Amino acid sequence: EVQLVESGGGLVQPGGSLRLSCAASGFTISNYWMTWVRQAPGKGLEWVASINPDGSEKLCVDSVKGRFPISRDNAKNSLYLQMNSLRAEDTALYYCVSGRYSHGYWGQGTLVTVSS
Amino acid sequence: EIVMTQSPATLSVSPGERVTLSCRASQSVSSKLAWYQQKPGQVPRLLIYDISTRATGTPARFSGSGSGTEFTLTISSLQSEDFAVYYCQQANDWPLTFGGGTKVEIK
Repeated sequence: EVQLVESGGGLVQPGGSLRLSCAASGFTISNYWMTWVRQAPGKGLEWVASINPDGSEKLCVDSVKGRFPISRDNAKNSLYLQMNSLRAEDTALYYCVSGRYSHGYWGQGTLVTVSS
Repeated sequence: EIVMTQSPATLSVSPGERVTLSCRASQSVSSKLAWYQQKPGQVPRLLIYDISTRATGTPARFSGSGSGTEFTLTISSLQSEDFAVYYCQQANDWPLTFGGGTKVEIK
C-alpha cells in the first residue's frame, strides 16, 4: 500500500521557519516527480513546489520563491520543504503528492499555522 | 500564469441527475488537464487526467471532455457519495494551477 506521511507542521510566528518532511512507503519516489500542494482553511488547492526525480530541477510558485526550497533524499525515500520567512498567508494544510501532474497519491497533510 | 476558472461555484443537484461541471483555461493547456474530487475533511482524490482518462478506481459515471481551453467533467447519474468539491488542474505550463472549485451539494 502506498503511503505518504507528512510531518513538521505546527504553530510558528511570522518570520519563523519550519521544515516539512514527507516519508513515502509502498513506492519508490526516485522514479517520480514529487510535489507540495497546500490548502488554506476553507479555501481551494494551490500548487507550491515540485522537484524532478533526481533533484536537478525545482520549481515553485512565485509567492514562495526564495523562501521555500524543495528537496528530496531518494535514499531515504523522502521529500522535504524548508519553509523560511513565514507569513500569515502561508497558513495552510500542506500535502505531499506524487507526480508533476495527475497526482495519484496524496498524504494526509500537515498543518502549518503562522500567527503571533 | 494560466488561470483556471470553474463554473458554477456551487451546484445544487438531486441524486440521479446528470451533472456537468465546467473549467476554462486562460490559454491552451493541450491535454494536461486533470480533475480532482474532495469530500469534506478528506484528502483530494484524482478522478481524471489527460482530459478524459479515468484514474484507477474512478467509476464509469465520471467522464471528462474538452480541448484547448474549455473542459467539462460530467457525472452521468449523481450518487450520494459524489457530493463534494471538484477541482480542475492544468499542467501544461508552470506554475501548475488549479481552478477555484465547484461544490456539488444536495438540492
